[in-house]
Amino acid sequence: RKEVEQDPGPFNVPEGATVAFNCTYSNSASQSFFWYRQDCRKEPKLLMSVYSSGNEDGRFTAQLNRASQYISLLIRDSKLSDSATYLCVVTYTGTASKLTFGTGTRLQVTL
Amino acid sequence: DTAVSQTPKYLVTQMGNDKSIKCEQNLGHDTMYWYKQDSKKFLKIMFSYNNKELIINETVPNRFSPKSPDKAHLNLHINSLELGDSAVYFCASSQGGPILQETQYFGPGTRLLVL
Repeated sequence: RKEVEQDPGPFNVPEGATVAFNCTYSNSASQSFFWYRQDCRKEPKLLMSVYSSGNEDGRFTAQLNRASQYISLLIRDSKLSDSATYLCVVTYTGTASKLTFGTGTRLQVTL
Repeated sequence: DTAVSQTPKYLVTQMGNDKSIKCEQNLGHDTMYWYKQDSKKFLKIMFSYNNKELIINETVPNRFSPKSPDKAHLNLHINSLELGDSAVYFCASSQGGPILQETQYFGPGTRLLVL
C-alpha cells in the first residue's frame, strides 16, 4: 500500500464547478500536510498547508481528518487556470524535512 | 531572479555514461534536496543536505552521488547510467533544517533520457 494515495483522475469539470479531491495516508505518525500544484512539464509549487482546523485560501479549502487519515481539497468556482495536477504531501515525525508525495490528481477545467 | 535553478534542462545520453546535474539556489536557504519523478509522475525524495551535510539518503543506488560544495549548491552525479534512470530530476530548497511546515521551492527540473 502506498504511503499517500490519491485518485489519479482525470477530473474533467466545467468552468464554475466545485470539485473536491481526497487523499489518504497510511502512517498515523504523519505530522504535516500540504497540497502542492504541478502544471504540465513544470515543477511542483506549494498551494497551501493543511491544518487540523481546516483552512481556506480564496476559492480553495483544505481539510484534515486525523482520525480517518485523510486530507481533502475543495476548489470552488473552478477556472481554466486551475487545470493542473494536485499533489497531496505528508511529512512524518522525525523526518520533517522529507516530503512524501501522493501520485497526484489531475484536474482539467473546460469551457 | 531565478530562485532555484538547474542545469542542464534536458539531458539525452547513452547507457553506461556518467553525467552530472547542477543545482543552485539564491534564496539563502540552508537545506537542499534532490527528487526523482518517474514516467508515472510519482515524485520521490532521493537526498537532502543541510548546510553541506547529508541528512536524508533514501534507498538510492550508489551510482548516484550528491555533492554539496556550499549550502547554495547541490549537484548530482550519476555513474553508469541505466535505462531506468530516465526521469525528471527536481532540485528543491527550504529555509532551515528539520522544521515542520516549511515550504520547499523546486527548480524547473532536468529531463534525463537514457538511450
